[in-house]
Amino acid sequence: DSGVTQTPKHLITATGQRVTLRCSPRSGDLSVYWYQQSLDQGLQFLIHYYNGEERAKGNILERFSAQQFPDLHSELNLSSLELGDSALYFCASSPTGLLNQPQHFGDGTRLSIL
Amino acid sequence: AQKITQTQPGMFVQEKEAVTLDCTYDTSDPSYGLFWYKQPSSGEMIFLIYQGSYDQQNATEGRYSLNFQKARKSANLVISASQLGDSAMYFCAMREPQNTGNQFYFGTGTSLTVIP
Repeated sequence: DSGVTQTPKHLITATGQRVTLRCSPRSGDLSVYWYQQSLDQGLQFLIHYYNGEERAKGNILERFSAQQFPDLHSELNLSSLELGDSALYFCASSPTGLLNQPQHFGDGTRLSIL
Repeated sequence: AQKITQTQPGMFVQEKEAVTLDCTYDTSDPSYGLFWYKQPSSGEMIFLIYQGSYDQQNATEGRYSLNFQKARKSANLVISASQLGDSAMYFCAMREPQNTGNQFYFGTGTSLTVIP
C-alpha cells in the first residue's frame, strides 16, 4: 500500500460528459502529480502541484484541469470526453518536489468512455 | 527525440538468473534524476530505485541495482536472482527541472517474464 488513495477505481461514462477524479496523497506529502496511461501513448505526465500551486505542466489537454486543495487532496477534471480519453489515470505524491524524491503512486482510476 | 528509450519490449529470464533491462535517456540539463518503476499485472506502479545525475556510485536496493553510465546516457536496471514475482512491466523514468517544478518522462516499458 503506497498510501496514495484514488477514487473512484473505475469510471464508465459517455462521450461529451465530464468527470472528476480524486486523489489523496500520502500523509505529509505536499506534491501531487497526475499521469495518464494509455495503450497507444504509454505513461504521460500531465501536471504537478505543490502545496496548492501548479508547478509543472506536461501533456495535459485544455479540456483537462486540475487543482490541489488546502487539505492537499487533488482533483483532475476531464470534460468533453472523447473515446481517446479512455485510459488509466494515476495520481502520485512525494514529500516536496525535489528532484531526488521518488513518487509513490496510487492504484489508479480506470476511465472507460463508451 | 525521445527523452527515455527502452528498446526491449519483452524479456525472458530463468528463475534465479540475473537480467538487465536497458534504458537510455536524453537531456541537456546537468541536473536530473533517473527512476525505475515496476508495474505488475494488477496495475499499481511500484518505485524500485533512484539515481541522481551527480551520484558517483551506482544505486543499489536489495536485488536491484542501476548501472549508470553518464557519458553514454544509459541507466540500465539489473535484477539479480530473479523470482517469479518479478514478472511485470518495468518503466524507466527521468525527472528534469523546469523553471518552477520538475518535468517527468517515462519510457514505453519492458515486459519481463520470469520462467520457472
